[in-house]
Amino acid sequence: DADVTQTPRNRITKTGKRIMLECSQTKGHDRMYWYRQDPGLGLRLIYYSFDVKDINKGEISDGYSVSRQAQAKFSLSLESAIPNQTALYFCATSDRTGSYEQYFGPGTRLTVT
Amino acid sequence: AQKITQTQPGMFVQEKEAVTLDCTYDTSDQSYGLFWYKQPSSGEMIFLIYQGSYDEQNATEGRYSLNFQKARKSANLVISASQLGDSAMYFCAMREGKNRGSTLGRLYFGRGTQLTVWP
Repeated sequence: DADVTQTPRNRITKTGKRIMLECSQTKGHDRMYWYRQDPGLGLRLIYYSFDVKDINKGEISDGYSVSRQAQAKFSLSLESAIPNQTALYFCATSDRTGSYEQYFGPGTRLTVT
Repeated sequence: AQKITQTQPGMFVQEKEAVTLDCTYDTSDQSYGLFWYKQPSSGEMIFLIYQGSYDEQNATEGRYSLNFQKARKSANLVISASQLGDSAMYFCAMREGKNRGSTLGRLYFGRGTQLTVWP
């Protein structure tokens, strides 16, 4: 089984709808991250969490919110989806030692029409 | 200013040849880490190689090596003996240092280089 899972893998939704993307990990890492990827822009950080009580905004947090329900679960919500939130969304985890390498989930492809 | 710059949107290489993907970075920290990830057309992010700022030797992982030139702030990825399966998007990323409090661990990504390997 994959160490970092994301659900759903693909989602099409309409403008104005609320949508939640979920991330679970079995790596036992404290740190979790949400990124979005747009063509030609690389990955940009939306939110990150270093433990259940520590949640921080990234560089593009407007229009998004997150919830860290447990060490293993980190959810991203779009309160009112808009078309320019169409993107590939990645969840990632990292340990607090060593290289702090990030382990990525498979991604969620979100389309807002 | 961008923290990670990848100046090559696309690169082409013939199978079995070596290719270098460029990456420059910008940080004032003394302790930082540099990563390369591969993203095939299927979309997943695959970790390739890591270089710590205090590592004296260039990192190597199989056919991948990282040409780390600290004074020039460059961390180029070298792929030797390219294979058709190397065709993918490649991202350079940086983690800043241990004195950055709560930002420690987050990665800054470049915009990527699309590598195409032709037979």
